[in-house]
Amino acid sequence: GQQLNQSPQSMFIQEGEDVSMNCTSSSIFNTWLWYKQEPGEGPVLLIALYKAGELTSNGRLTAQFGITRKDSFLNISASIPSDVGIYFCAGPNTGNQFYFGTGTSLTVIP
Amino acid sequence: EAGVAQSPRYKIIEKRQSVAFWCNPISGHATLYWYQQILGQGPKLLIQFQNNGVVDDSQLPKDRFSAERLKGVDSTLKIQPAKLEDSAVYLCASSFPPGNEQYFGPGTRLTVT
Repeated sequence: GQQLNQSPQSMFIQEGEDVSMNCTSSSIFNTWLWYKQEPGEGPVLLIALYKAGELTSNGRLTAQFGITRKDSFLNISASIPSDVGIYFCAGPNTGNQFYFGTGTSLTVIP
Repeated sequence: EAGVAQSPRYKIIEKRQSVAFWCNPISGHATLYWYQQILGQGPKLLIQFQNNGVVDDSQLPKDRFSAERLKGVDSTLKIQPAKLEDSAVYLCASSFPPGNEQYFGPGTRLTVT
């Protein structure tokens, strides 16, 4: 079945550092969504991307919709302890079936 | 604006028992989704409703799982009989068409013993 692969699987960084993570698919996606999930909670939508090449920011977060439509990137600048969580990419493929990625676990060390 | 509501938050049952989860989406959201999230993995879509019609249930184990959304608002997901491998968090989400931006509830953590 469809697989959205995220890398890295986990990250341990110092507070204040910048973070980059990506998501790749074997097929074309129409939309890329980035979510953050904290323990015991449902995923929370961070950024939505709708066009190839689109670059969108939300505060310290910036995400890009890859030109090939098979990948997306999320950057977090100047990380803070509350950025801790698991970050998921997600979206519908061209068949409108919705998938989530494998997740990137972020730990920020104060 | 109230978010997606789910109940119960936690449920422990023995294998072969049945269980039901309830979800109330954000007001006005026509699309409702049920996901299964096994520990350490991303959510996996089980079923998607558009109003009270099923859009996608290709990953729903239909021999034991069922879901309904009779009046196009709240929804119930049922498992009967439960297996050990059904232990997971069951998440409900909703969205307002035509966008795909889904908003999630807190989930129901199911433990099957």
